[in-house]
Amino acid sequence: EVQLVESGGGLVQPGGSLRLSCAASRFTFSNYWMSWVRQAPGKGLEWVASIEGNGNEKYYVDSVKGRFTISRDNAKNSLYLQMNSLRAEDTAVYYCARFGYSSWEFDNWGQGTLVTVSS
Amino acid sequence: DIQMTQSPSSLSASVGDRVTITCRASQSINSKLNWYQQKGGKAPRLLIYAASNLQSGVPSRFSGSGSATDFTLTISSLQPEDFATYYCQQSYSVPPFTFGPGTKVDF
Repeated sequence: EVQLVESGGGLVQPGGSLRLSCAASRFTFSNYWMSWVRQAPGKGLEWVASIEGNGNEKYYVDSVKGRFTISRDNAKNSLYLQMNSLRAEDTAVYYCARFGYSSWEFDNWGQGTLVTVSS
Repeated sequence: DIQMTQSPSSLSASVGDRVTITCRASQSINSKLNWYQQKGGKAPRLLIYAASNLQSGVPSRFSGSGSATDFTLTISSLQPEDFATYYCQQSYSVPPFTFGPGTKVDF
């Protein structure tokens, strides 16, 4: 069974930085696109960023472009999200998710890590 | 960007009911539509991909249909564990990978 475990969330002041990590196991990590999806308290799901298996191609939602950077280390089976210039509206649970091969579907998800941006 | 809407935003149902949730795209997305279930504070779970394909391990009471702009998720006989929020997501014109606003199914 695929396993995705996020870490690195916490409380940070506006303008601050945080780095999220996602440890992947029980599948060939380098073969899959990976993503971060977030959910603000009481709100719906919002895709944040995605990265190709070899790390070359990356996509971001407009609201985080220039502030967030997605990356991966295939040798460590790990996905990262570097978040800079954080804003209150970035407060959310951040999920690590794997893309399936069929329809750009998010076929496996981690349990999420909470990021709170507040002074 | 393609916008996704869902109706209703919430519904009340009973165990054994047939439940239908609708998802509409702002333009044609062919069959590039996925459905997820999320239970209180937990991670979402993929139910249906490419409009009508049941994800492995998902009970057969769940089904999906539709194409172009209009899609439907049907639960043929609602079970206690199905009370949750359901989201659709388009994967035709990407990025961004757009989710619908969700439909909450409760008692």
